[in-house]
Amino acid sequence: DAMVIQNPRYQVTQFGKPVTLSCSQTLNHNVMYWYQQKSSQAPKLLFHYYDKDFNNEADTPDNFQSRRPNTSFCFLDIRSPGLGDAAMYLCATSAARYNEQFFGPGTRLTVL
Amino acid sequence: GENVEQHPSTLSVQEGDSAVIKCTYSDSASNYFPWYKQELGKRPQLIIDIRSNVGEKKDQRIAVTLNKTAKHFSLHITETQPEDSAVYFCALLDNYGQNFVFGPGTRLSVLP
Repeated sequence: DAMVIQNPRYQVTQFGKPVTLSCSQTLNHNVMYWYQQKSSQAPKLLFHYYDKDFNNEADTPDNFQSRRPNTSFCFLDIRSPGLGDAAMYLCATSAARYNEQFFGPGTRLTVL
Repeated sequence: GENVEQHPSTLSVQEGDSAVIKCTYSDSASNYFPWYKQELGKRPQLIIDIRSNVGEKKDQRIAVTLNKTAKHFSLHITETQPEDSAVYFCALLDNYGQNFVFGPGTRLSVLP
């Protein structure tokens, strides 16, 4: 089945220890998004790729970086996680910017 | 940036009753207005969407209405069932027409 896959589903890291979250898709969608969702809050867009064109939200901390080596894969790198970065990280894809977004199951990040 | 308000923040209804959730926005170039349902610990899933060239769209028990002049759109769920219990998010494109902004969410509880 075509889908959006995120690995790992749960990630525990230590304060300041870099971590990488991955997302892959079999939908062949042009657009991939990374969202941060904290408990009882709405998803907050961190950045998105339209094909290879990277778009960073103005208030996304420099601590967060992203890579999209090809159409299918996208990575979220958190260079020095802080306690405030503990959250669910959701990857989503869409065929075009103004189309339905398909979300992955998310990676729950815990920072100790 | 775009300001999206969503009301109510929590809503409890008896099974079989209707539920209405409303979102208002301030200044958006959006022509696409999706609604997402998120069950506890799961990913957001699109339940219905509407584009600005129509005023209403219905899919079985779910309907969405859009008033672009008044800058609001609403989700209507009829004949509610316990499995409708979840958090519902509206979304729209920001005022640059680039990225999705989510409303703060409505926690719907359907009481049996």
